[in-house]
Amino acid sequence: KAGVTQTPRYLIKTRGQQVTLSCSPISGHRSVSWYQQTPGQGLQFLFEYFSETQRNKGNFPGRFSGRQFSNSRSEMNVSTLELGDSALYLCASSPRGESGNEQFFGPGTRLTVL
Amino acid sequence: GENVEQHPSTLSVQEGDSAVIKCTYSDSASNYFPWYKQELGKRPQLIIDIRSNVGEKKDQRIAVTLNKTAKHFSLHITETQPEDSAVYFCAASKGTGGGNKLTFGTGTQLKVEL
Repeated sequence: KAGVTQTPRYLIKTRGQQVTLSCSPISGHRSVSWYQQTPGQGLQFLFEYFSETQRNKGNFPGRFSGRQFSNSRSEMNVSTLELGDSALYLCASSPRGESGNEQFFGPGTRLTVL
Repeated sequence: GENVEQHPSTLSVQEGDSAVIKCTYSDSASNYFPWYKQELGKRPQLIIDIRSNVGEKKDQRIAVTLNKTAKHFSLHITETQPEDSAVYFCAASKGTGGGNKLTFGTGTQLKVEL
């Protein structure tokens, strides 16, 4: 099976712009979670989607949003970018929705905001 | 919400020695505790996990122990090798209502010296 893929791998934007990141889960996986990784804050949970519904949301402002499509692919959007949004954005997929299932991470999208 | 503390932040050992990384969690409802290894520039990868109905789990040179009463879990790596050098993250996830949301510790940079 192909692993979790994310596009694009690198992105440079300027403050005030918006960005959309994409995540394709492992075939058959229905849960997709998004995490932000920074040197200062570590790995922080953004949100989780399961069967096209957002099930959990982390403590991020409303500028961060996401969605999931019927084929389980997911996108996250960040509007009005700030310098502090520079980070590695990781998505992870899991076959089922309940706790206790291994999550498989993608390679991440490195976002730089200038 | 859940909070996971991880210690130490850096750990340097000689090849062949053992390494121990400790984590504590705050939410007694947490029931799944994975450990991820992240090499420089790569995605986090699951190395071992434990569920709350088990006190210890071992996989070759890696073991994890869980003390539910103390809300404490630890990663033990024996006979360390240079390829064990990486950042290790502990995480916690809770069952009902928690979905696949993982709360991560701040990471431990393990360096195995020759």
